[in-house]
Amino acid sequence: DAGITQSPRHKVTETGTPVTLRCHQTENHRYMYWYRQDPGHGLRLIHYSYGVKDTDKGEVSDGYSVSRSKTEDFLLTLESATSSQTSVYFCAISEYRNNEQFFGPGTRLTVL
Amino acid sequence: AQSVTQLDSQVPVFEEAPVELRCNYSSSVSVYLFWYVQYPNQGLQLLLKYLSGSTLVKGINGFEAEFNKSQTSFHLRKPSVHISDTAEYFCAVSTNTGNQFYFGTGTSLTVIP
Repeated sequence: DAGITQSPRHKVTETGTPVTLRCHQTENHRYMYWYRQDPGHGLRLIHYSYGVKDTDKGEVSDGYSVSRSKTEDFLLTLESATSSQTSVYFCAISEYRNNEQFFGPGTRLTVL
Repeated sequence: AQSVTQLDSQVPVFEEAPVELRCNYSSSVSVYLFWYVQYPNQGLQLLLKYLSGSTLVKGINGFEAEFNKSQTSFHLRKPSVHISDTAEYFCAVSTNTGNQFYFGTGTSLTVIP
């Protein structure tokens, strides 16, 4: 299995609080991605990174920001969490652009 | 923009019967195609991928898929399913001109004993 960990694995928070999710990889892959998974929507891309300090928006980026200061870490921040951001969040990594992505175990976030 | 359609949200099938999960995509450029499987409370795992070459692709756990460019399809098949194949299956597409994957909404396969 690809070395990808996500932390925390579960989190319950209240509306309006900031939340940061962490993705850590040991594969030295260049590309990293954050997705959210919701029933009926499949996986939707939030943000992705194509190198240290290089990031771009995905399909559903509103309300989220990301940072990548090291190859191995990709952080997803909800500046002020809302109930609509209750979801399961997956991190993925890829060695090459547009090739196979490897997924982490996911973080289940509940915003009350 | 690309899009992926998985026409069947749920597919029940009896154990040892064949199954086909359908995937269609829309794209005006060359595509790379993928099928992933997700078991309950886990991340996604790659089943198979088509990048180029033979249009019939074989993957893990006895699954295969065929790329049909004229019909813009990439259907997943297995000749005989097992209880352990019960899971969610996602089709995904990427292109050589972008940086993103686009996922379908998933098909829930339930294998009935």
